[in-house]
Amino acid sequence: QVQLQESGPGLVKPSETLSLTCTVSAGSISSYYWNWIRQPPGKGLEWIGYIYYSGTTNYNPSLKSRVTISLDTSKNQFSLKLSSVTAADTAVYYCASGVAVTGTSYFDYWGQGTLVTVSS
Amino acid sequence: SYELTQPLSVSVALGQTARITCGGSNIRSKNVHWYQKKPGQAPVLVVYRDNNRPSEIPERFSGSNSGNTATLTISRAQAGDEADYFCQVWDSSAYVFGTGTKVTVL
Repeated sequence: QVQLQESGPGLVKPSETLSLTCTVSAGSISSYYWNWIRQPPGKGLEWIGYIYYSGTTNYNPSLKSRVTISLDTSKNQFSLKLSSVTAADTAVYYCASGVAVTGTSYFDYWGQGTLVTVSS
Repeated sequence: SYELTQPLSVSVALGQTARITCGGSNIRSKNVHWYQKKPGQAPVLVVYRDNNRPSEIPERFSGSNSGNTATLTISRAQAGDEADYFCQVWDSSAYVFGTGTKVTVL
């Protein structure tokens, strides 16, 4: 069973770049969409973006200008960078694997989530 | 972009049936997936591809999809079912979440 674990700073200053890493264990990094999803306090789930094992990326249009997701297959890790953060980026950030089946995809495994607070 | 609309809240008496809707334009043409989200925990997939359950999910959870509305049904509701529920689809190679529904078991 695939396991995912987020890591990174829990506090980021406004205007700086948020950086998180997700380590994938007990499974291969191939054949999945590797995703970042967040949930601001008291709000719903927001998909941030993914990197496919082939290296293809796709981002939520509302965040696209500030997001970069990268993949390190040698370490079985993928990473998120979100630039120019504001208080509105305060959220619990999850990494998740997206299984690809004909015509659709859904999230089968999730990390436990990590709270990132944007504050000076 | 594609939008999914859910009711803000649904209440259900213990042991009764809760139905959570997910509205979207011609949603029947898409596969709908459902997640249960409890405070402090990661989301859990409860239904995938409209009406399929992961092996660890009780039979009390079921799904349907028709017209412009998909529905997650929780039969014989238990106190442990109290949570937020989100629908999700795959649209234009991107993930779209519904607005989320808080289920309260009375």
